Amino acid sequence: GAVVSQHPSRVICKSGTSVKIECRSLDFQATTMFWYRQFPKQSLMLMATSNEGSKATYEQGVEKDKFLINHASLTLSTLTVTSAHPEDSSFYICSARETPNTEAFFGQGTRLTVV
Amino acid sequence: AQKVTQAQTEISVVEKEDVTLDCVYETRDTTYYLFWYKQPPSGELVFLIRRNSFDEQNEISGRYSWNFQKSTSSFNFTITASQVVDSAVYFCALSPLSSGSARQLTFGSGTQLTVLP
Repeated sequence: GAVVSQHPSRVICKSGTSVKIECRSLDFQATTMFWYRQFPKQSLMLMATSNEGSKATYEQGVEKDKFLINHASLTLSTLTVTSAHPEDSSFYICSARETPNTEAFFGQGTRLTVV
Repeated sequence: AQKVTQAQTEISVVEKEDVTLDCVYETRDTTYYLFWYKQPPSGELVFLIRRNSFDEQNEISGRYSWNFQKSTSSFNFTITASQVVDSAVYFCALSPLSSGSARQLTFGSGTQLTVLP
């Protein structure tokens, strides 16, 4: 299958700081990327959908000013958690797909811990 | 609205036993995709299968097999002769099939499978 690389895999940051997570499609051009959040022992909850070159579409209840998503190129999307708080600690995982008719492939995930 | 239910939260089996993971879904779409993903302890999601709603044929891939029954809205996953490396959380997921849609995945809550040696 296609390869999606997410970086970093783990990050610890202090409260109040911002952290950026990168999601790259390595062997295909991703017109759409998805960002999910997963709490321990829970399912994946979609946070937002981003199409290359346009603004991300956020799910209800997700603060767009807190979770900034940029999809500036066909191979890279970034999620920036701004002014992080301990409750933002979670596992964040991205997925990317080439076209609406192809399946999405997932990155390795990023475990964020805010202290 | 779409919904995926995985009623089994945790399952433990002994190596070489067969195990079936249940998945029941709800959707108003007449055409849709169903998926299974594996999430090992490392966290990444591994794609296992995609099945479209037109195709009710069961599928077998090595020790894995899938039973899609549209009449009962179920898409169950069976691992034959389980191995310790099969231990993971398994997610069933659903997305609309219609082109032009966002094709967002709706995930079930997952089933933690533990295979004991």
